Amino acid sequence: GAVVSQHPSWVICKSGTSVKIECRSLDFQATTMFWYRQFPKQSLMLMATSNEGSKATYEQGVEKDKFLINHASLTLSTLTVTSAHPEDSSFYICSAVEGNQPQHFGDGTRLSIL
Amino acid sequence: QKEVEQDPGPLSVPEGAIVSLNCTYSNSAFQYFMWYRQYSRKGPELLMYTYSSGNKEDGRFTAQVDKSSKYISLFIRDSQPSDSATYLCAMIPGNTGGFKTIFGAGTRLFVKA
Repeated sequence: GAVVSQHPSWVICKSGTSVKIECRSLDFQATTMFWYRQFPKQSLMLMATSNEGSKATYEQGVEKDKFLINHASLTLSTLTVTSAHPEDSSFYICSAVEGNQPQHFGDGTRLSIL
Repeated sequence: QKEVEQDPGPLSVPEGAIVSLNCTYSNSAFQYFMWYRQYSRKGPELLMYTYSSGNKEDGRFTAQVDKSSKYISLFIRDSQPSDSATYLCAMIPGNTGGFKTIFGAGTRLFVKA
């Protein structure tokens, strides 16, 4: 089946630093990638949708300057949390999709800001 | 009213029980229906994917779609402790309605040994 790799799986860093999370589709070309945030015991919250070679579309309330998304190729998208603060601590999950197929998810990144 | 309604549970069953998980929806344009399983601190994993109405079976899992009632179900037979997870339903409108996936809130399932 379709495999999506997300890295790192867990990161701890100091407040004020920037953190980059990578999402790769390993065996298919992802026309679209999605970034989600998930709080404990809550459902997925869509942050942004990105298409290869174009600017990401952010959901209402998500700061585009805070959460920088780059989708440079059909197999790689990155999310950079800039100047991270403790309130940014969360579980971030990416997904990738080819055409109108179901989304396939990465294993998530647990971000802890001290 | 949410487009997709799913009881968050938790649902607790003994090992070996048949589990029934359900979602209702309001948008008649939905054409594609999925069930995902998410273990704690992991990303969701696609379990079942169906198009339009009908049943689909895969091992111990059966997905049902009733478009006339706007109701979908996932049945798990002979449930195991390893089935303990959160199950999310998801839907896509399809060609006429776009391809944005709408997720249910997820149902937490506990299977007791």
